Amino acid sequence: GDSVTQMEGPVTLSEEAFLTINCTYTATGYPSLFWYVQYPGEGLQLLLKATKADDKGSNKGFEATYRKETTSFHLEKGSVQVSDSAVYFCALYFGNEKLTFGTGTRLTIIP
Amino acid sequence: GAVVSQHPSWVICKSGTSVKIECRSLDFQATTMFWYRQFPKQSLMLMATSNEGSKATYEQGVEKDKFLINHASLTLSTLTVTSAHPEDSSFYICSARALGQGYEQYFGPGTRLTVT
Repeated sequence: GDSVTQMEGPVTLSEEAFLTINCTYTATGYPSLFWYVQYPGEGLQLLLKATKADDKGSNKGFEATYRKETTSFHLEKGSVQVSDSAVYFCALYFGNEKLTFGTGTRLTIIP
Repeated sequence: GAVVSQHPSWVICKSGTSVKIECRSLDFQATTMFWYRQFPKQSLMLMATSNEGSKATYEQGVEKDKFLINHASLTLSTLTVTSAHPEDSSFYICSARALGQGYEQYFGPGTRLTVT
């Protein structure tokens, strides 16, 4: 079945460091790919998305590129801030109403 | 906009009792609501999908008689865990989607259930 694999956390970085959170997927076909973010005490929010190969999703300084050849959708940010501390989820969607999530990666940014 | 609330945010109940969790869409009409369960350090697992006015569709392995889902209005869905046991302790998250929204789901903040 479809699945998403995320790098295990937690990840702790200093402010202004470069961030990469790895995400790879297994699917029969070409799903849409998403990154969701969950801030403390809040629900998951859509951070960015890509619906086809080579698409780049971006939002709030975060970027991820849909790589069909490596079945990956790694999340990156050039300079993280304390306010980026949250749990990040990679997910895929095939148009059957169901989102398939990775395990989530907890990110902590220290000043 | 697109806010989803859950109540309660956490609940402790005794083994054998039932507990109800509410999921509300505050500023839009949710034709479809989803219920997820999340174990520590694991991904969100979809339990069931409910459409307003219809019976919920449960994922394989989810006991429909144990996890009762009601979606009686366009702004409210409830999940009732019946005859709860310690293994039902988990984090339950709902999400809601408006008609024609495709993949776009709006998530509630979750409910922590502890069964003693």
